[in-house]
Amino acid sequence: GAVVSQHPSRVICKSGTSVKIECRSLDFQATTMFWYRQFPKQSLMLMATSNEGSKATYEQGVEKDKFLINHASLTLSTLTVTSAHPEDSSFYICRMGWSGGAHEQFFGPGTRLTVL
Amino acid sequence: DAKTTQPTSMDCAEGRAANLPCNHSTISGNEYVYWYRQIHSQGPQYIIHGLKNNETNEMASLIITEDRKSSTLILPHATLRDTAVYYCIVVLYNQGGKLIFGQGTELSVKP
Repeated sequence: GAVVSQHPSRVICKSGTSVKIECRSLDFQATTMFWYRQFPKQSLMLMATSNEGSKATYEQGVEKDKFLINHASLTLSTLTVTSAHPEDSSFYICRMGWSGGAHEQFFGPGTRLTVL
Repeated sequence: DAKTTQPTSMDCAEGRAANLPCNHSTISGNEYVYWYRQIHSQGPQYIIHGLKNNETNEMASLIITEDRKSSTLILPHATLRDTAVYYCIVVLYNQGGKLIFGQGTELSVKP
């Protein structure tokens, strides 16, 4: 399958700071991008989706001004957690693809964010 | 809301087949059944998908009942590295990106 990378793999930051997480497709151009988060012992929760040329669409309950998503190019998406707080500590996972089929979209390895 | 029901956890002996069930009684005619797994602290990994027919690939087999209200993922010879949370998801093909994950089944493969 295609390769998606995330950077950093883990980050620790102080409360009130902003953190940027990058998601890159290494061997394909992605027209669709998704961001998920996962709290300990819980399942993945979809935060937002974005299609090429469009702004991100956020799921209910996800603050778009707090979680800034930039579909910078067909190979790069970034998620910025602004003014992070301890309750934002989570595992953030991106997913990128080029078609509608779920098997044609690929997850990144995830980023562990810890806010002190 | 998740549209599938899976057991919370299962154990399997190493080398034996692992059979993971999933109920999706409200599945619509054009929804696919997808299976993913997530090893601890990693991104989910695609395993297999199907619509009506049984499917097999290098990782697993997918058995879908004739009425499509349930399915079973089969790992023919489970290894310790198959220990993971397995998710069964139903989704329209053209909405494949917007996967909604349920709680999944935590499979523990024991030596």
